[in-house]
Amino acid sequence: DIQMTQSPSSLSASVGDKVTITCRASENIRTYLHWYQQKPGKAPNLLFYTTSTLQTGVPSRFSGSGSGTDFTLTIDSLQPEDFATYYCQQSYGDPRTFGQGTKLEVK
Amino acid sequence: EVQLVESGGGLVQPGGSLRLSCTASGFIFSTYYISWVRQAPGKGLEWVANIKYDGSETDYVDSVKGRFTISRDSGKNSVSLQMDNLTVEDTAVYFCARHSNTWRGDFDYWGQGTLVTVSS
Repeated sequence: DIQMTQSPSSLSASVGDKVTITCRASENIRTYLHWYQQKPGKAPNLLFYTTSTLQTGVPSRFSGSGSGTDFTLTIDSLQPEDFATYYCQQSYGDPRTFGQGTKLEVK
Repeated sequence: EVQLVESGGGLVQPGGSLRLSCTASGFIFSTYYISWVRQAPGKGLEWVANIKYDGSETDYVDSVKGRFTISRDSGKNSVSLQMDNLTVEDTAVYFCARHSNTWRGDFDYWGQGTLVTVSS
């Protein structure tokens, strides 16, 4: 199975900050990497697919980049509604696997 | 509006069985793969099983192979997950999720989840 490792596992930041979350795959997954946001008690919500394509309705302060094994999710100018847990997921190999999550908390 | 609604969760003893359902609306159900993804309390996301749009192919994570069975009923726009020989490690919120398309591999719509608790 392809292992997905996110860093950091948790992150404290303030409204207006710029934050970056990293996701590393255990092998080359090209750009088959997707990002989700999950708030407590809710289902995950797709933010990006294939590394950098914003899902409809996602604000442009979110951006994604990378290829191969290393990927990043960046949020410019954090807003109050951005505090949540973020997961990466690969779809290059079966089974589809997720990172362990990065919890973004208010500093 | 695309909607996925899960049902069937509950409390079951170890070794018991439970059947989850996911009812879809707002899209052409027969043209999309559907997966079940679970989340143990306080933990991350784990893909569990998927089924092809026509029901002809299924796949499972190793930990549930031989115990869980995914199926679909196009007439009812629903996908089911039959879970047998449950263990405490199966305790989780189970989400059904729609695959965006056959090549991209992301899940673009999710249900709200249904909680399965395996405990004596």
